[in-house]
Amino acid sequence: AQSVTQPDIHITVSEGASLELRCNYSYGATPYLFWYVQSPGQGLQLLLKYFSGDTLVQGIKGFEAEFKRSQSSFNLRKPSVHWSDAAEYFCAVVYMNRDDKIIFGKGTRLHILP
Amino acid sequence: DSGVTQTPKHLITATGQRVTLRCSPRSGDLSVYWYQQSLDQGLQFLIQYYNGEERAKGNILERFSAQQFPDLHSELNLSSLELGDSALYFCASSVDLPPGELFFGEGSRLTVL
Repeated sequence: AQSVTQPDIHITVSEGASLELRCNYSYGATPYLFWYVQSPGQGLQLLLKYFSGDTLVQGIKGFEAEFKRSQSSFNLRKPSVHWSDAAEYFCAVVYMNRDDKIIFGKGTRLHILP
Repeated sequence: DSGVTQTPKHLITATGQRVTLRCSPRSGDLSVYWYQQSLDQGLQFLIQYYNGEERAKGNILERFSAQQFPDLHSELNLSSLELGDSALYFCASSVDLPPGELFFGEGSRLTVL
């Protein structure tokens, strides 16, 4: 079954520190991969996506993610976090030639220490 | 503002009742998705419509139903409500298939007492 795993439910980092949020997807041909962010009381907003090509993708708000097919991973990174990055982050996958279901991970809540 | 509108924003009702959640997608988007978000289950895909037709189904209970109308707005009907149905229900829309990006509404928070 298609699945997305975000192993960290909560992560706390200090403001200015680097960040990496982990995401693993179940094996499948040609996944489309996404990272979304949800601020409190808001809907989800797309940070970045990977379809093909360069495996390092840049997104909004200074985020980037790297697709590693050998590890079935699509980890999200930011070199220096800001207090405004405190939110919940969701990794998602959809598979071409299957159906259009977008499967989301359970999310990682990011806390920022001043 | 994502351009996706959901109503109502908040809804409180009793067990056994029926409610309807409404979603207006972004202008031009043909595809509508419904998700349920709860603390223990995360974001669960319920159902997807494309141009009025059901396209994909997820973990949607038989007590729940949805449809997409000719003007592309969608409604999610929840009946025989149970306490466990309390959750945030999101609608999202996309212009293409498979979706390059989902645009989410702000959600409808349902509380079942």
